[in-house]
Amino acid sequence: AQSVTQLDSQVPVFEEAPVELRCNYSSSVSVYLFWYVQYPNQGLQLLLKYLSGSTLVKGINGFEAEFNKSQTSFHLRKPSVHISDTAEYFCAVSEAAGNKLTFGGGTRVLVKP
Amino acid sequence: DTAVSQTPKYLVTQMGNDKSIKCEQNLGHDTMYWYKQDSKKFLKIMFSYNNKELIINETVPNRFSPKSPDKAHLNLHINSLELGDSAVYFCASSSRDSPEKETQYFGPGTRLLVL
Repeated sequence: AQSVTQLDSQVPVFEEAPVELRCNYSSSVSVYLFWYVQYPNQGLQLLLKYLSGSTLVKGINGFEAEFNKSQTSFHLRKPSVHISDTAEYFCAVSEAAGNKLTFGGGTRVLVKP
Repeated sequence: DTAVSQTPKYLVTQMGNDKSIKCEQNLGHDTMYWYKQDSKKFLKIMFSYNNKELIINETVPNRFSPKSPDKAHLNLHINSLELGDSAVYFCASSSRDSPEKETQYFGPGTRLLVL
């Protein structure tokens, strides 16, 4: 069975400061890794994904994430956040195409002016 | 040009009632999903259909019955609603035949409140 742990439930950060959201996963097989963002009262939007190849993946809105197989991690980073980045961020894994996504508990990012 | 749409967006109802939530995708995908997000924002898979065939059923109470009339639609019917059913229900879709077959696209969610 697969599982995902997001180590921080809330991350307050000042505008224009960098942010890192931590994600660790557990699985007995190779996985696909995703980060989704949920803005208040909205659905889930894909930020980026890792399927294979280069371990550094770039996504939308200036976000990037690095896959570390030995540490089973997929941390999300942004060098300079905006007020509009205030949202809930979810890390997720899938063991195969068409298979279920297993989500972490989410990290709430609150960007302060 | 909405990709994955859900109706209704909000649903407030009394305990014991029966209600349905509808989902439609215009992406040409062959696989659709229902996820439940509880009050603590935790997201969990409920069901998945591929080409109208049930492929994932994650120990959901049998009061919940998904129905897929065609590949583009996956509806969720809930009988005898309970307080604990209050949540946000998300529909998603993906395609096993596309280059992005691993990626699921989500609808805007249906916020269900059972009183």
